[in-house]
Amino acid sequence: DAKTTQPPSMDCAEGRAANLPCNHSTISGNEYVYWYRQIHSQGPQYIIHGLKNNETNEMASLIITEDRKSSTLILPHATLRDTAVYYCIVRPPFPDAGNMLTFGGGTRLMVKP
Amino acid sequence: DTAVSQTPKYLVTQMGNDKSIKCEQNLGHDTMYWYKQDSKKFLKIMFSYNNKELIINETVPNRFSPKSPDKAHLNLHINSLELGDSAVYFCASSPWERTGAYGYTFGSGTRLTVV
Repeated sequence: DAKTTQPPSMDCAEGRAANLPCNHSTISGNEYVYWYRQIHSQGPQYIIHGLKNNETNEMASLIITEDRKSSTLILPHATLRDTAVYYCIVRPPFPDAGNMLTFGGGTRLMVKP
Repeated sequence: DTAVSQTPKYLVTQMGNDKSIKCEQNLGHDTMYWYKQDSKKFLKIMFSYNNKELIINETVPNRFSPKSPDKAHLNLHINSLELGDSAVYFCASSPWERTGAYGYTFGSGTRLTVV
């Protein structure tokens, strides 16, 4: 079972920042937080991941709270092409749970003009 | 130059048939996976192979048999297809390491429809 809780849906205006929250209150100290997105039944696309520190790449920023019990994915300037289902995943190290990515329900982000 | 490629992209077949889906990755990864996404859109892992050896089998019916001829390929063979097998099947790959620090790369999916 997924160890994360996300709102089922969110809206965002085009050009504005999209802030997607994720709760993972039972996360262990050595578990990574991953974010993936899936655009209209395409294959899931990797966005970003982190352990303790905040992370930024060309797609997004990941803010992890100090207690690591929640995180926020930030898309700084959302476009219509960012409309997708966003998955927050807590990934255990091997051999726990086979070191695999377990997907939950995700958040359906709708970017509106 | 697609990193993880699956064939075919679409597959329509009758109940009771046997079919295969192929997956290949050119990323040099050691570990490959099969996921199933049903009509409710939940993505569930089915199998994981590391260097041609099965490491995860998530209670999948034995009509599903993965085969890994080498670490770049993981094929999925399905016997006696049932209506409930209709879904989108995704292949993925990742480096093999123990910390969880490397993500998966997914293919674009195979939409299987059983009629």
